[in-house]
Amino acid sequence: EPEVTQTPSHQVTQMGQEVILRCVPISNHLYFYWYRQILGQKVEFLVSFYNNEISEKSEIFDDQFSVERPDGSNFTLKIRSTKLEDSAMYFCASSDGGLYNEQFFGPGTRLTVL
Amino acid sequence: TQLLEQSPQFLSIQEGENLTVYCNSSSVFSSLQWYRQEPGEGPVLLVTVVTGGEVKKLKRLTFQFGDARKDSSLHITAAQPGDTGLYLCAGSNSGGYQKVTFGIGTKLQVIP
Repeated sequence: EPEVTQTPSHQVTQMGQEVILRCVPISNHLYFYWYRQILGQKVEFLVSFYNNEISEKSEIFDDQFSVERPDGSNFTLKIRSTKLEDSAMYFCASSDGGLYNEQFFGPGTRLTVL
Repeated sequence: TQLLEQSPQFLSIQEGENLTVYCNSSSVFSSLQWYRQEPGEGPVLLVTVVTGGEVKKLKRLTFQFGDARKDSSLHITAAQPGDTGLYLCAGSNSGGYQKVTFGIGTKLQVIP
């Protein structure tokens, strides 16, 4: 069964460093998303992406964040200058954009900022 | 802002018991999903409900959607240790660009 994959599974970085989280969405899906989950809290929406453009973004997704689809299969989230409060699980998701907008999630990248 | 509340937040039961967890929305979504999440993993989609009054079954799991489409429940019959996990209620509106809004989840522990 097709699935969303993410790398790395765990990333440790120093405050102020740049990180890039990578995702391979399900191959026939057209809509891509990033969410994050701080330990013990809800899964929160960051951004949606379609046709090489950001469709929607939350207030969390500030100028420190950017997304890119560098080729036909990968979808990336870049955090330019990480802060301690960026420590969280980051989930990529994809959807075929059908009527019910069912989104399928990857296993996540645990980001730890020291 | 559309919000989803889930109850209870924690539930610990013995193997073989039945249980029901609840989800209530502050407003109507186009569809409502139930996901299950294991520690350190991503949410896994279990079911989508769309129509008021709808009932869907997935083996020992029964999902109901309220007539007003603002509340939903998940009932598990004869719970097994493998059912242990975090059950998330989520809502989505039409349009692929739309986000999924999650509740805080019900953490279920089934004791052998």
